[in-house]
Amino acid sequence: AQSVTQLDSHVSVSEGTPVLLRCNYSSSYSPSLFWYVQHPNKGLQLLLKYTSAATLVKGINGFEAEFKKSETSFHLTKPSAHMSDAAEYFCVVSMDTGRRALTFGSGTRLQVQP
Amino acid sequence: DTGVSQDPRHKITKRGQNVTFRCDPISEHNRLYWYRQTLGQGPEFLTYFQNEAQLEKSRLLSDRFSAERPKGSFSTLEIQRTEQGDSAMYLCASSFGTSGSSYNEQFFGPGTRLTVL
Repeated sequence: AQSVTQLDSHVSVSEGTPVLLRCNYSSSYSPSLFWYVQHPNKGLQLLLKYTSAATLVKGINGFEAEFKKSETSFHLTKPSAHMSDAAEYFCVVSMDTGRRALTFGSGTRLQVQP
Repeated sequence: DTGVSQDPRHKITKRGQNVTFRCDPISEHNRLYWYRQTLGQGPEFLTYFQNEAQLEKSRLLSDRFSAERPKGSFSTLEIQRTEQGDSAMYLCASSFGTSGSSYNEQFFGPGTRLTVL
């Protein structure tokens, strides 16, 4: 079985300060891991993906994530938050066994204070 | 706009009524997925099509739910005898994949929000 746990349901930062959104995964197989972002009234958008290549993954809008197998973690970071980053973020796992479905975490709502 | 589209965007119905949602995937995508998202939760997988074949169904997809993808193009999701617990956002996603590829980026539509009174 596979699952993801997002350790914080809400994160609030000030504009210009670093962002850290935490995610731990559980998978019996070699997983593919993703972060998706969901802005209000908009569809889910892929931020970045890890598929067993480089462990440090760079995504769009300055976000990056590091795959740490020993810690079963895939935390999302950004050096400097922007007001437009305020949204819901989902950590997602897909098993590398041919099963196509994605398993989502429960989400972290990021608030950015001016 | 050539992304995934869903219709309607909002649907309000009374308990016991049937509802049908439509999803139009990105035109060259052969895979189509349905997810359900309830308030405060991440999306949960419902079912998956490759071309017109429905290859996987979640245990969440009770016998009141049925999905089709005739001719491997658009898809419909029907819920019969709706219950208040069916109130959720229903998301459609599509991707392009070959038989040898395990990973394929899924592109999501804006969703259909269902409210059952």
